[in-house]
Amino acid sequence: GENVEQHPSTLSVQEGDSAVIKCTYSDSASNYFPWYKQELGKRPQLIIDIRSNVGEKKDQRIAVTLNKTAKHFSLHITETQPEDSAVYFCAAMDSNYQLIWGAGTKLIIKP
Amino acid sequence: NAGVTQTPKFRILKIGQSMTLQCTQDMNHNYMYWYRQDPGMGLKLIYYSVGAGITDKGEVPNGYNVSRSTTEDFPLRLELAAPSQTSVYFCASSFPGYTEAFFGQGTRLTVV
Repeated sequence: GENVEQHPSTLSVQEGDSAVIKCTYSDSASNYFPWYKQELGKRPQLIIDIRSNVGEKKDQRIAVTLNKTAKHFSLHITETQPEDSAVYFCAAMDSNYQLIWGAGTKLIIKP
Repeated sequence: NAGVTQTPKFRILKIGQSMTLQCTQDMNHNYMYWYRQDPGMGLKLIYYSVGAGITDKGEVPNGYNVSRSTTEDFPLRLELAAPSQTSVYFCASSFPGYTEAFFGQGTRLTVV
């Protein structure tokens, strides 16, 4: 079955710098890769997603890239702000339309 | 627009007690899910349902049961609570396919 690994587990960046979180997946049949943000004590919420027929997708300061050959995808946040501090989860949708989740990355924005 | 609503938000159970976590959604989603999230960890799928009358086990189903009698409701039953079931429980729903999953606000359960 599908397996998703996410790195790093914790990422600390200076406010204004960029942050990159990486995920790898095992099932080449997976075709949908969302990213969710979970603020402390809150529910996870979708921030961006990408389908396998696209290599990159941007939405203002966030972007996701997908390399299907290498089976990895990444979240890029530019010009980080204090409100970007949260836990970020990547996921891959398997052939049964179930999301397989990464373990999460705690992003800390230092003032 | 309520979205996905979970009750209760907090609960303390004694070992061996039972309870039902309620989840309802008003978005007419076919798919519903129950996850647990242990402190500092990711989401683990307990059970899911692709429609009324259909349920399937996820990664960690032991100690739990579900039912899906309507499209809107997907309750999670804990029988004989154990300390290992101390966690935050999230219900979620979505349409089939490559679409967003919407989460409830979570239920923080402590078993003592």
